Amino acid sequence: DAGVIQSPRHEVTEMGQEVTLRCKPISGHDYLFWYRQTMMRGLELLIYFNNNVPIDDSGMPEDRFSAKMPNASFSTLKIQPSEPRDSAVYFCASSNRAAYYEQYFGPGTRLTVT
Amino acid sequence: SQQGEEDPQALSIQEGENATMNCSYKTSINNLQWYRQNSGRGLVHLILIRSNEREKHSGRLRVTLDTSKKSSSLLITASRAADTASYFCATADSWGKLQFGAGTQVVVTP
Repeated sequence: DAGVIQSPRHEVTEMGQEVTLRCKPISGHDYLFWYRQTMMRGLELLIYFNNNVPIDDSGMPEDRFSAKMPNASFSTLKIQPSEPRDSAVYFCASSNRAAYYEQYFGPGTRLTVT
Repeated sequence: SQQGEEDPQALSIQEGENATMNCSYKTSINNLQWYRQNSGRGLVHLILIRSNEREKHSGRLRVTLDTSKKSSSLLITASRAADTASYFCATADSWGKLQFGAGTQVVVTP
């Protein structure tokens, strides 16, 4: 298996632009998680899905952030409009109940908003 | 807010020495997991210990769990320069949600 795939790996955009981050989880995993990591705040859970349904989005910072999972093999995290404070590394991870929720992380997307 | 809190925040040791880091948490858990993150990379799962287990080994890693004290420890024996990384504990609830601590930065010098 290729592991969790994220794209793009790096994104530089100007304030006010829309940003879309993409994630392909490991096949057979029924949980998908989006995290954000910064030096100041550490690793924060933004939202997670179970069987493509959002379960907990309490970590989404504000309405500018939205996430979708249209099918079991694809998820997006969208920021519109982006702001400089959104600059961070965004990770996607997947897991399943059978493995006691051991999570497999993607390589991350480093987002810089100027 | 973070569930797990690691101690120490940073650790510097020489190759061959053992590295021990601790994690404390606040609420009941389904299991506790340890992850490693090399600079600029994603987190990699190291070891998982279930709430009814007290100790677990994997290679040079040893994890203990004391649910009465709500604490866990990770021991890396005979450390190597390649063990230089940040180490995170994460607690899992029964719904699969993980809460990560702030991490321990470990530097192993040759």
